Amino acid sequence: DAGVIQSPRHEVTEMGQEVTLRCKPISGHNSLFWYRQTMMRGLELLIYFNNNVPIDDSGMPEDRFSAKMPNASFSTLKIQPSEPRDSAVYFCASSLGGGKRAKNIQYFGAGTRLSVL
Amino acid sequence: QQPVQSPQAVILREGEDAVINCSSSKALYSVHWYRQKHGEAPVFLMILLKGGEQKGHEKISASFNEKKQQSSLYLTASQLSYSGTYFCGALSGGGADGLTFGKGTHLIIQP
Repeated sequence: DAGVIQSPRHEVTEMGQEVTLRCKPISGHNSLFWYRQTMMRGLELLIYFNNNVPIDDSGMPEDRFSAKMPNASFSTLKIQPSEPRDSAVYFCASSLGGGKRAKNIQYFGAGTRLSVL
Repeated sequence: QQPVQSPQAVILREGEDAVINCSSSKALYSVHWYRQKHGEAPVFLMILLKGGEQKGHEKISASFNEKKQQSSLYLTASQLSYSGTYFCGALSGGGADGLTFGKGTHLIIQP
């Protein structure tokens, strides 16, 4: 099993530019999560999808952030326009959701390290 | 609200034991423990569910006190490979599946 695949692994961009992060969940998993990790705030949930539908986006910091999941094997997190304070590691995770959700183990991708100059 | 983890950091000699605590102000459905090494993704260790069910690592144990909304992770006879940052992730009520993570406990194992 290939695990959760994220791309790019590193992204350096200038303030004001659009950034798109990509995620391919584990095949067969139907829940997908986007997290952001910074030294100050730790690991924060941004948004999660169940069966390609956004369920909870209360963690999305601003309207500059948007996420889509057009099909079961692909999701994007877009920042437009990007700002220096968006610099962080962004993780995607997936799980086999549904049913007794409390047992759903989340598997993380390797993350995208974003630097906005 | 984030769960509160303690201690923030601990340094041990190889072979010593460690306990990492996690407490929440909200009622919990489950607690998930992860370990993250520098520059890598968090890796699942264990999940503890209401009612006492557990799933996870053979060499790591944990407890979950539902009434106190607390969980503890026990690392016995620590090995160098145990070094890293340990996070507890809380799954609360309200139908949301996303985890709320504590700020982590940095564990350093020295030879």
